[in-house]
Amino acid sequence: QVQLVQSGTEVKKPGASVKVSCKASGYTFTGYFLHWVRQAPGQGLEWMGWINPDSGYTDFAERFQGRVTLTRDTSISTVYMEVSRLRSDDTAVYYCARRSSSYWYFDLWGRGTLVTVSS
Amino acid sequence: EIVMTQSPATLSVSPGERATLSCRASQSVSSNLAWYQQKPGQAPRLLIYGASTRATGIPARFSGSGSGTEFSLTISSLQSEDFAIYYCQQYNKWPPVTFGQGSKVEIK
Repeated sequence: QVQLVQSGTEVKKPGASVKVSCKASGYTFTGYFLHWVRQAPGQGLEWMGWINPDSGYTDFAERFQGRVTLTRDTSISTVYMEVSRLRSDDTAVYYCARRSSSYWYFDLWGRGTLVTVSS
Repeated sequence: EIVMTQSPATLSVSPGERATLSCRASQSVSSNLAWYQQKPGQAPRLLIYGASTRATGIPARFSGSGSGTEFSLTISSLQSEDFAIYYCQQYNKWPPVTFGQGSKVEIK
C-alpha cells in the first residue's frame, strides 16, 4: 500500500525543538521528493521545504531557513523534519507530502502530526 | 512569491447543485495549478493537476479549467461527501509553491 506514515502528536515548550518522522512505503523511496506543509489551527496550507531522499539535498521557504532541518534514512525509507527554537505560532499540523514524479504538486500526503507549543 | 487568491471564502450549496470555485494568481502560472480537497481532520487530497487533469480515482463531477491567472474548479452535482475546503496551489514558479487561502463548500 502506497502511504506516508507520520509520527504522533507532540507537545513542546517554547524554545524547544521537535522532530517529526515520515515513513514511506509501497513505492521507491528515493524516486520521489518529499515536502513538508504545515497548517495552523483553522488556517490554510503553508509550504515549508523539501528533501531529495536520494541525494539528501534540501531547500526551504525563506522564513524557515536556519530553523528547520530535513534529513533522511534511506535504510528505513524515512524522512525527518526538525524545527528548532519553537514558538507558540509554530503550533500546527505538519504534513509530509510526496511530490509527483515530474511537477511540484503533491499526489500523496501523510495524515499529519499535530505539534502544540505551549508553556 | 506568487500570491493565490480564492473566492468565495464560503459557498453554500444544496446537494445536487453545481458549485464553482475561483482561484486567481498574482502573475501567470501557465497551467501549473493544482486543486486539493480537505475534510475536517484529514490531510488534503489531490483532485486536479495541470489545471484540468483529474487525479487518479477522482470522480468526473470534478472539473478544472483556466490558464494564466484565472482558474476555476467546478463540482457538477454536489454529493454529501463533497462538502469540504478546497485549496488551489501554483507550481509554476518555486520555491516557494504557494496555496490559496481556501474556499469552504458548505451545505445550504
